[in-house]
Amino acid sequence: DTAVSQTPKYLVTQMGNDKSIKCEQNLGHDTMYWYKQDSKKFLKIMFSYNNKELIINETVPNRFSPKSPDKAHLNLHINSLELGDSAVYFCASSPRTSGLSSYEQYFGPGTRLTVT
Amino acid sequence: EDQVTQSPEALRLQEGESSSLNCSYTVSGLRGLFWYRQDPGKGPEFLFTLYSAGEEKEKERLKATLTKKESFLHITAPKPEDSATYLCAVRMRNQAGTALIFGKGTTLSVSS
Repeated sequence: DTAVSQTPKYLVTQMGNDKSIKCEQNLGHDTMYWYKQDSKKFLKIMFSYNNKELIINETVPNRFSPKSPDKAHLNLHINSLELGDSAVYFCASSPRTSGLSSYEQYFGPGTRLTVT
Repeated sequence: EDQVTQSPEALRLQEGESSSLNCSYTVSGLRGLFWYRQDPGKGPEFLFTLYSAGEEKEKERLKATLTKKESFLHITAPKPEDSATYLCAVRMRNQAGTALIFGKGTTLSVSS
């Protein structure tokens, strides 16, 4: 069973389009995240969601919006795509407990977005 | 500002040639330092979490250690299958169950 899954794996689209990336986790975790990995492989947080509440939004343009229909899903919607949005987007999840292993994050396989 | 710096950027080893990767961090109140492995075209795979200076963790040929300013990932007698990018991250301060700040990674290549 895949713990954190994302669809699609590859997404090629034109500038100005609106697209979505889906993420699902079957680990029973309470917190989910979206990260962006740029062409230099630098991984940077975009959003985290806990119990449908946005915890962090790291100066991400408001063209990006996370949507969580339930605790197991955190989808990423992107409006008016730009060339600079081309990157690999990773979804992740972590449990929310008081133990020492509380904050290990488990990542999905990534979605490579190419904007032409 | 919380910051994570990894060195070297790239490391080439012969099979069996042990070495160490470095991760130095600047964070107010460490709430966990994490090591991940990332293979090309895949998501980061969790390796270790370290919480306090002096802590060590091992997994097969990998051993992670932590001081107050840096962490080392020691690789003993590496094999070609250890080739990957190794990422270090710290948990952002004053946030529970929240995001990680990653370094830019060390790309390890092990040749037979």
